[in-house]
Amino acid sequence: GENVEQHPSTLSVQEGDSAVIKCTYSDSASNYFPWYKQELGKGPQLIIDIRSNVGEKKDQRIAVTLNKTAKHFSLHITETQPEDSAVYFCAASPGGSQGNLIFGKGTKLSVKP
Amino acid sequence: KAGVTQTPRYLIKTRGQQVTLSCSPISGHRSVSWYQQTPGQGLQFLFEYFSETQRNKGNFPGRFSGRQFSNSRSEMNVSTLELGDSALYLCASSPGRAGSDQPQHFGDGTRLSIL
Repeated sequence: GENVEQHPSTLSVQEGDSAVIKCTYSDSASNYFPWYKQELGKGPQLIIDIRSNVGEKKDQRIAVTLNKTAKHFSLHITETQPEDSAVYFCAASPGGSQGNLIFGKGTKLSVKP
Repeated sequence: KAGVTQTPRYLIKTRGQQVTLSCSPISGHRSVSWYQQTPGQGLQFLFEYFSETQRNKGNFPGRFSGRQFSNSRSEMNVSTLELGDSALYLCASSPGRAGSDQPQHFGDGTRLSIL
């Protein structure tokens, strides 16, 4: 079955710097890759997603890139702010009739003012 | 538009008991998926319900079950609770069957503690 690996597990940056989180997946049939942000005491919040027919997608300070050949995708956050501090999860959907999400283990991002 | 609502937020049970958790999806969403989140295993898929039918199931024992009602609200039941069932249980909804054109939106979860 699908397996998603996420790196790094922790990331500390200065306010204003960029942050990059990387994920790899194993199932070439996976066709949907969302990213979630989880703050303490809250559920995961969808922040951006990308489908397998697209190589890059941007939404203000957040961007995601997908390399289907290498089976990896990345989250880029520019001009980080203290409120970006949270745990970020990548996920992959196996596609077909199985729309369930396979999650990475998460990255704890700390943005220091 | 109201988000996904899960009740209760916190629950404490003892080993051997059973528990029922509730999820109200976003208005108009017909698919509800359940996930278990633990520090060791991370986020793991339990099952998906769509049109009152279980459509997909993860690798969990039969003690974990669920159902969906005609108004798309869903309940999850865990019988004969074990210490290892302590976790945050998350519900996610999407307009149609969960998949690439149907992003899943999560509630804030039910924190279940087993004593």
